Amino acid sequence: EDQVTQSPEALRLQEGESSSLNCSYTVSGLRGLFWYRQDPGKGPEFLFTLYSAGEEKEKERLKATLTKKESFLHITAPKPEDSATYLCAVQAAGNKLTFGGGTRVLVKP
Amino acid sequence: DAGVTQSPTHLIKTRGQQVTLRCSPKSGHDTVSWYQQALGQGPQFIFQYYEEEERQRGNFPDRFSGHQFPNYSSELNVNALLLGDSALYLCASSSARGAETQYFGPGTRLLVL
Repeated sequence: EDQVTQSPEALRLQEGESSSLNCSYTVSGLRGLFWYRQDPGKGPEFLFTLYSAGEEKEKERLKATLTKKESFLHITAPKPEDSATYLCAVQAAGNKLTFGGGTRVLVKP
Repeated sequence: DAGVTQSPTHLIKTRGQQVTLRCSPKSGHDTVSWYQQALGQGPQFIFQYYEEEERQRGNFPDRFSGHQFPNYSSELNVNALLLGDSALYLCASSSARGAETQYFGPGTRLLVL
């Protein structure tokens, strides 16, 4: 059974304090690893898809990387508007996404 | 370009009742997936519809059923509601011909009393 574990569960950062979020996964035949951002009471917003180990993608202050067992989401010089829950999900055989529990990020000014 | 839309936004029901939630996919998408998200947790896959048929199903009881229409929109039906069915219900759409990235709607918040 596919499993995804995200750590830490919560992260409090000062504005400008860079940090990394971890997503560890166990899956048979990874088709893709996805990162989403979710604001309270709203649906997840797509950020990145990574397909193979060694791949990296960037968007503004966010950078996602992938190895054979885990993915990292690096937040560089975060701003208060980066405060959200960040969700990691894997897609293996079939089309369903298996999500981790998320990391709640709070960036204080 | 309209994204994924869901209705209603909020719903309050009592135990034992039935509920129907609706989803319209992003333009150009033909596949709809439904997820349940309890408070403080990640979304859990319920099922996925493609070409008006259920293509894949997660570990949810038969009380959860769905439908996809010829215009690719979809419904999620839940019968005999339980208190534990209270959650945010998310619809995601994707294209079977593309990279299958799933784009989510705003969700329907269901409260069962």
